[in-house]
Amino acid sequence: DSGVTQTPKHLITATGQRVTLRCSPRSGDLSVYWYQQSLDQGLQFLIQYYNGEERAKGNILERFSAQQFPDLHSELNLSSLELGDSALYFCASSGFGGEGQPQHFGDGTRLSIL
Amino acid sequence: GQQVMQIPQYQHVQEGEDFTTYCNSSTTLSNIQWYKQRPGGHPVFLIQLVKSGEVKKQKRLTFQFGEAKKNSSLHITATQTTDVGTYFCAGPSGNTGKLIFGQGTTLQVKP
Repeated sequence: DSGVTQTPKHLITATGQRVTLRCSPRSGDLSVYWYQQSLDQGLQFLIQYYNGEERAKGNILERFSAQQFPDLHSELNLSSLELGDSALYFCASSGFGGEGQPQHFGDGTRLSIL
Repeated sequence: GQQVMQIPQYQHVQEGEDFTTYCNSSTTLSNIQWYKQRPGGHPVFLIQLVKSGEVKKQKRLTFQFGEAKKNSSLHITATQTTDVGTYFCAGPSGNTGKLIFGQGTTLQVKP
């Protein structure tokens, strides 16, 4: 058990809809990272938050947004969903936002767009 | 932009054979991390290498960081079915903690 909790585990929805994925980091971790993993693809970095502030951004689509709340949990919002958004979305956390910290991953949310 | 590449993408071995995956970065890295993702699971941190030429061992796994700190390798001796999964290397991008992951090498082990 990594200590990182992601909900829901599975999400099935239709094109054009909006969903929210939730992540609770390990106790004491201040930094949260979001990744997208498509079939047979690696881990594509989306965005990082540190103690409530956006810290780094990857190739995150404009239709996607995220935030980190005062209790340090984070949410990833995906809107105007397209078939190509079907993927496994992972959240990871680390102690602080600096270099060299191992990241601890949650079990992921599998998003299926019909 | 910064890229981290891994080869091979897939490797099928007979149980007991050795396995190696190679990781190459387009830029010099301050450190490199390795993760393992079992089928249906999430990536799990294995190890971090920091020094040029560093070699670290975990039982049958040997990790190496290149002298120029632009490449790394993971070697598994005498593979077992429990080694099945995808192995990712990852290097830092900037000093925020953000990691760039390689595409991974998926290892299949035939018993």
